[in-house]
Amino acid sequence: KAGVTQTPRYLIKTRGQQVTLSCSPISGHRSVSWYQQTPGQGLQFLFEYFSETQRNKGNFPGRFSGRQFSNSRSEMNVSTLELGDSALYLCASSLGLAAWETQYFGPGTRLLVL
Amino acid sequence: GEDVEQSLFLSVREGDSSVINCTYTDSSSTYLYWYKQEPGAGLQLLTYIFSNMDMKQDQRLTVLLNKKDKHLSLRIADTQTGDSAIYFCAESINNAGNMLTFGGGTRLMVKP
Repeated sequence: KAGVTQTPRYLIKTRGQQVTLSCSPISGHRSVSWYQQTPGQGLQFLFEYFSETQRNKGNFPGRFSGRQFSNSRSEMNVSTLELGDSALYLCASSLGLAAWETQYFGPGTRLLVL
Repeated sequence: GEDVEQSLFLSVREGDSSVINCTYTDSSSTYLYWYKQEPGAGLQLLTYIFSNMDMKQDQRLTVLLNKKDKHLSLRIADTQTGDSAIYFCAESINNAGNMLTFGGGTRLMVKP
């Protein structure tokens, strides 16, 4: 079974631009979560989607948004990029929403904002 | 509130045991996880323990949970140079879906 895939793997943008990152979950998984990893703040939860609906949202500004498609693929968008948005963005998928559902992480998209 | 803490760094010699510690504050944690992250890679799930258990063993890995003290540890037996990585503990809260709260990570260095 293929793992979680994220595209692109690396991205360079400038301040003020917007960016869209993509995540394809493991086949059959319906839940997708996004995390931001930075050296200063560590791993922080962004949001979680299940059946095309956002189920949970972390403490991030409205510039961060996401969506999930009917095939469970998910995208996240960051508008009006700031230098502090430079980070590794990780996506994780699981079968469902229960706390015991194992989450499998993708390799991440490394975003650099100049 | 939720807070998960880990020590920053651990250095061991190849063949020794490593013990990585983690403390958490939310008593409603249901599952506690250990993830491994190698340079340039995503997170690899190593093992997890349900909050009503106090120990779980999986090959070279042993997880101990002291719910009273909210203390979690990961013991790696016969540590190898390939075990060098950053280890994260994480908790999930009942009724919070898949949201995980992570510790800051412990960098394990294994010397030959």
